Amino acid sequence: DAGVIQSPRHEVTEMGQEVTLRCKPISGHDYLFWYRQTMMRGLELLIYFNNNVPIDDSGMPEDRFSAKMPNASFSTLKIQPSEPRDSAVYFCATRGQTTSTDTQYFGPGTRLTVL
Amino acid sequence: QKEVEQDPGPLSVPEGAIVSLNCTYSNSAFQYFMWYRQYSRKGPELLMYTYSSGNKEDGRFTAQVDKSSKYISLFIRDSQPSDSATYLCAMKAGGTSYGKLTFGQGTILTVHP
Repeated sequence: DAGVIQSPRHEVTEMGQEVTLRCKPISGHDYLFWYRQTMMRGLELLIYFNNNVPIDDSGMPEDRFSAKMPNASFSTLKIQPSEPRDSAVYFCATRGQTTSTDTQYFGPGTRLTVL
Repeated sequence: QKEVEQDPGPLSVPEGAIVSLNCTYSNSAFQYFMWYRQYSRKGPELLMYTYSSGNKEDGRFTAQVDKSSKYISLFIRDSQPSDSATYLCAMKAGGTSYGKLTFGQGTILTVHP
């Protein structure tokens, strides 16, 4: 398996623009998580899905952020409009129901820079 | 106050040293404790997983949990330059099929030859 796939790997945009980050989970994994990592705040959970349904979005910082999972093979995290303080590395992670150790498998991340 | 506190370091040690990484937490509901390792410009990967109090050993790595003190540790013996990475502790409450992982800020470790 190729693991969790994220695109793009790097994104540079200007303030006010819409940004869409994409994630393809590991096949068969039914939990999907979006995290944001910064030096100041560390790794923060933004939202997670179970069987394509959003379960907890309490970590989503503002209404400018939205996430969808239209099917088991794809999820997006959208920021509209983007602001410089959104600059961070965004990770997607997935987990299988049968994983006894609750292991989350992380993608390589998308490094977002908002100018 | 954060639920999980972790000294971000950075920590620099010579090859062969014993490394001790620590986290403290405030939520007594946490029952599952993990250590993730994150290499530069990569996603975190699970290194150690423990349930409740006690020790767990895997090769050069030992994870300790002291629930009475709300304190967890990761020890690395005979550290190698390839151990240079950021180490994040993570915790989860029990009682449900899935609980949110709460991460520490991560400790940056450099092992120099």
